[in-house]
Amino acid sequence: GENVEQHPSTLSVQEGDSAVIKCTYSDSASNYFPWYKQELGKRPQLIIDIRSNVGEKKDQRIAVTLNKTAKHFSLHITETQPEDSAVYFCAGYLQKLVFGQGTRLTINP
Amino acid sequence: DGGITQSPKYLFRKEGQNVTLSCEQNLNHDAMYWYRQDPGQGLRLIYYSQIVNDFQKGDIAEGYSVSREKKESFPLTVTSAQKNPTAFYLCASGTSGGADTQYFGPGTRLTVL
Repeated sequence: GENVEQHPSTLSVQEGDSAVIKCTYSDSASNYFPWYKQELGKRPQLIIDIRSNVGEKKDQRIAVTLNKTAKHFSLHITETQPEDSAVYFCAGYLQKLVFGQGTRLTINP
Repeated sequence: DGGITQSPKYLFRKEGQNVTLSCEQNLNHDAMYWYRQDPGQGLRLIYYSQIVNDFQKGDIAEGYSVSREKKESFPLTVTSAQKNPTAFYLCASGTSGGADTQYFGPGTRLTVL
């Protein structure tokens, strides 16, 4: 079945800098890759997603890139702000969603 | 995602007891899912249902049971056979049959006393 690996597990950046989180997946047939943000004690919320027929997608300060050949996809957050501090999960879809282990992002003022 | 509700928010269980977690959605979604989240870990799929009266085991179904008698409801029972049930349980719903957004409920935190 599908396996999704996420790196790094923790990430600390200065406010205003960029943050990048990378995920790799195992099954080339996977066709949908969402990213979720989860604040402490709350539900995961979708922040951006990408499908296998697209290489890049942007939404304001957030972007996701997909490299199907290498089987990896990345989340890019620019101009980070304190409210970006949270745990971020990537996932890959092949009959069901398989989640990465999560990245705890801390934005330092 | 405000259309998915879970209850209770906190649940305490004594060893040997079965408990049922409620999940309701008014988004008219065909598919519903149950995930378990342990501290510092990702989400693991327990059970899912693509249509009423049908459901499939996920990756960690042992010790859990579900039913899907109504489109809006997908309750999860944590049985006494689940040896380590203390966790955060998340219900989600989405469109059936494909890669699409899953919307999560607020979660139930289960603690075994």
